[in-house]
This record gives sequence, structure tokens and C-alpha cells, in this order.
Amino acid sequence: EPEVTQTPSHQVTQMGQEVILRCVPISNHLYFYWYRQILGQKVEFLVSFYNNEISEKSEIFDDQFSVERPDGSNFTLKIRSTKLEDSAMYFCASTHATPATNEKLFFGSGTQLSVL
Amino acid sequence: KNEVEQSPQNLTAQEGEFITINCSYSVGISALHWLQQHPGGGIVSLFMLSSGKKKHGRLIATINIQEKHSSLHITASHPRDSAVYICAVPPQGGSEKLVFGKGTKLTVNP
Repeated sequence: EPEVTQTPSHQVTQMGQEVILRCVPISNHLYFYWYRQILGQKVEFLVSFYNNEISEKSEIFDDQFSVERPDGSNFTLKIRSTKLEDSAMYFCASTHATPATNEKLFFGSGTQLSVL
Repeated sequence: KNEVEQSPQNLTAQEGEFITINCSYSVGISALHWLQQHPGGGIVSLFMLSSGKKKHGRLIATINIQEKHSSLHITASHPRDSAVYICAVPPQGGSEKLVFGKGTKLTVNP
């Protein structure tokens, strides 16, 4: 089965530093997502991306966050100046159509971000 | 906003037992997703259903749209089924995102 690939699997950074989390979605998928899960809490939506632009974002996704699809295959999440509370597992996901339309969502294995 | 409630939060079973995990949501939806989160953290989509019942191997998912309720059943449970099972639904209004429940942590003992 095709896979969503995320790198790195673990990232440790100092507070205030910039981090870039990378994802390679499934090649024929059209919708791309970032979700995060703080330890012990439920998975939360950050942002969705379609047709080379952000289609929806949550309150969490403030000016410190940005997403890009620079080369048609990679999908990146950048956090400009990390805070302690950004420590979480970040999941990339992709699908061929929106999850509201009976389409399965494919998740990457996640990047565990630790901000010290 | 769609609120998702799962029960139970934790479930311990003996190998071979029949398992039921429940999910209720507050707003009518077009599709409900059941996901499995492995102990290492990875998330796998198990089912996505909009009506009736779906079966895959030992897993069965049902949904009652009128009652806004879904169940995930595992027959002949096995220790490898130990994981967190999560229900997720789209919020109202044609949003592209999913709203996740807190999950049910299942432990199956040999």
C-alpha cells in the first residue's frame, strides 16, 4: 500500500529556533494536512492544503506556522520560533478527496518534536 | 462544532474476547472514521463509513446516523490488537478537517 513519509522521526530543538518538518504525501493525492498530538491529548487539526494553497486552518495555526509544497512532492510545516508548548507529535496526512466525502485518510508515522 | 465522545476510555480484555468500542457525535455527518494508533504513535485508518456496517477481517464497524452513534467491534481479540482506537468525524459546514475523539486504549492480555 502507498505510504506517507515523514522526516525526521524525532526533532529536538531549543526554544526560539526554527524547525521544518517534512512530508512526502502519496503521489496522486490532492489534499494534504498537518495534525498534531500533544502527549496524552487528542489529535488536533492544524491546517489543510489544496491546490497549492491553505484551504483551512485552526486557531493553533498562527503566524508562527507556515506550510509549503515547494516542488510538487514535498509538503513542509515550518515553525518559525518554537515554544515549549509546540512539543508534540506532528502528523502529516493526505487523501484523494476530503475526509467528509468517504475518503480514507493516510497518515505518516509522525515527527516527535521536543522543544527544550 | 462537532463534539466526539468515546467510551470506554480504557479497556482490558483477555485474548479471544469480543470487544466493543463506542463513539457518539453531536452534529450530523457525512462520514465517520475509525483509526488505530499503535503504541509507537503511528495512525492507521481502519474504516470510513457513512451508513450501515463494514467488515474487515476481525473488525466490524457500524453506524446509526439517526442516533449519531458508531461502534467498532473486534471479534476473537488478540494481543496484537492492543492499541488506541480513535473515532473522528468532520465538523459541520463542509470543513475538510477531522475532529478526533480522545480514543479508547485497548489492552488484550494473552
